Amino acid sequence: GAGVSQTPSNKVTEKGKYVELRCDPISGHTALYWYRQSLGQGPEFLIYFQGTGAADDSGLPNDRFFAVRPEGSVSTLKIQRTERGDSAVYLCASSLTWGEYEQFFGPGTRLTVL
Amino acid sequence: AQSVAQPEDQVNVAEGNPLTVKCTYSVSGNPYLFWYVQYPNRGLQFLLKYITGDNLVKGSYGFEAEFNKSQTSFHLKKPSALVSDSALYFCAVRASGSGNTPLVFGKGTRLSVIA
Repeated sequence: GAGVSQTPSNKVTEKGKYVELRCDPISGHTALYWYRQSLGQGPEFLIYFQGTGAADDSGLPNDRFFAVRPEGSVSTLKIQRTERGDSAVYLCASSLTWGEYEQFFGPGTRLTVL
Repeated sequence: AQSVAQPEDQVNVAEGNPLTVKCTYSVSGNPYLFWYVQYPNRGLQFLLKYITGDNLVKGSYGFEAEFNKSQTSFHLKKPSALVSDSALYFCAVRASGSGNTPLVFGKGTRLSVIA
């Protein structure tokens, strides 16, 4: 079956611009996660959705970052007033539900802020 | 707070030899432990997990891992390495039970299998 998909695969933007990153999870997965991975590091948790609601957004670095999942499926990570330090690979994952279930990752979106 | 340590940035092993990638963790209560592999230009792929029960868990591609509660370790192993096993390996942990504690990843260990 189809895995987790993310678009775009690459995004280059200028400092100060607004960007949206999209994630399409595996059908039927109620839990959706966003991570950020910098070079040489493991994925860093940003936010977790159970259904439509953000169950834990403690990993969002500041109020420039926001994510939505209005219908409990596709999610969009939104970054306002981008900074060069936001450059990273943004990973999305989904799992059947919260708990001991493994997460299935998408290929990521590489964001470069010039 | 939860944390994961992967003490080796790089592990080199000859093809056909056994391999071990080390992982230690810190978590309040009982852990859920996971290993993921990342190939170049591809997303993370799930290898195996420990939730409860037998300390030795078997996963994809012939990999296995042993949960050791007293040493707070979850080392990844394979009896005979293949060149195709060369990749970046991540260990991850979260606390079991109720609550929305997130999955915490280690920094990763790059495995290089030499023919």
